Amino acid sequence: RKEVEQDPGPFNVPEGATVAFNCTYSNSASQSFFWYRQDCRKEPKLLMSVYSSGNEDGRFTAQLNRASQYISLLIRDSKLSDSATYLCVVNLSGTYKYIFGTGTRLKVLA
Amino acid sequence: GAGVSQSPSNKVTEKGKDVELRCDPISGHTALYWYRQRLGQGLEFLIYFQGNSAPDKSGLPSDRFSAERTGESVSTLTIQRTQQEDSAVYLCASSLRPGLTDTQYFGPGTRLTVL
Repeated sequence: RKEVEQDPGPFNVPEGATVAFNCTYSNSASQSFFWYRQDCRKEPKLLMSVYSSGNEDGRFTAQLNRASQYISLLIRDSKLSDSATYLCVVNLSGTYKYIFGTGTRLKVLA
Repeated sequence: GAGVSQSPSNKVTEKGKDVELRCDPISGHTALYWYRQRLGQGLEFLIYFQGNSAPDKSGLPSDRFSAERTGESVSTLTIQRTQQEDSAVYLCASSLRPGLTDTQYFGPGTRLTVL
């Protein structure tokens, strides 16, 4: 089983739609969680960190479920510019090691 | 301020040659990471530096790969006797320190093509 698993997609959604991605992780010692965004042929950029209580940043909401070992990303009112690959990243407690998922590809259609 | 920079941005080499990839992290960032991303794949962790030391090199794919960091700044990733399967984008990232909420900032990557 992969340490971090994501549905590769693509998720094709119309503009204005709400879309959600899940990411599961296998190591219960995982401590920190992040969502990164990667545009085609570009480097990953931090979208948001994910905290135990969940957090929201504008149209983006991230949730953490430790019991079921998954994190989610919800995007409301999708824009064409949201089209990208969304990477789930997990950091093990007290370590340097960041494990990246292979990403979920989102296409927002006009 | 300046972000993470990498050079060269593109490198085409012949099989069997050695290549050196350079990363300049954000000033003051003590942690530095190298990743490899093959076409259509996720990021594969290679090595991590805390200061000038590399606590874990187990992500390096083979003994043809080595990396060093000097002055808690610049890092170089060297691939000896390159093979076609080494073709990928090599990404460097730095963070202030590894920690609960630390953010990694990525450079633009070096696209390596081995013919």
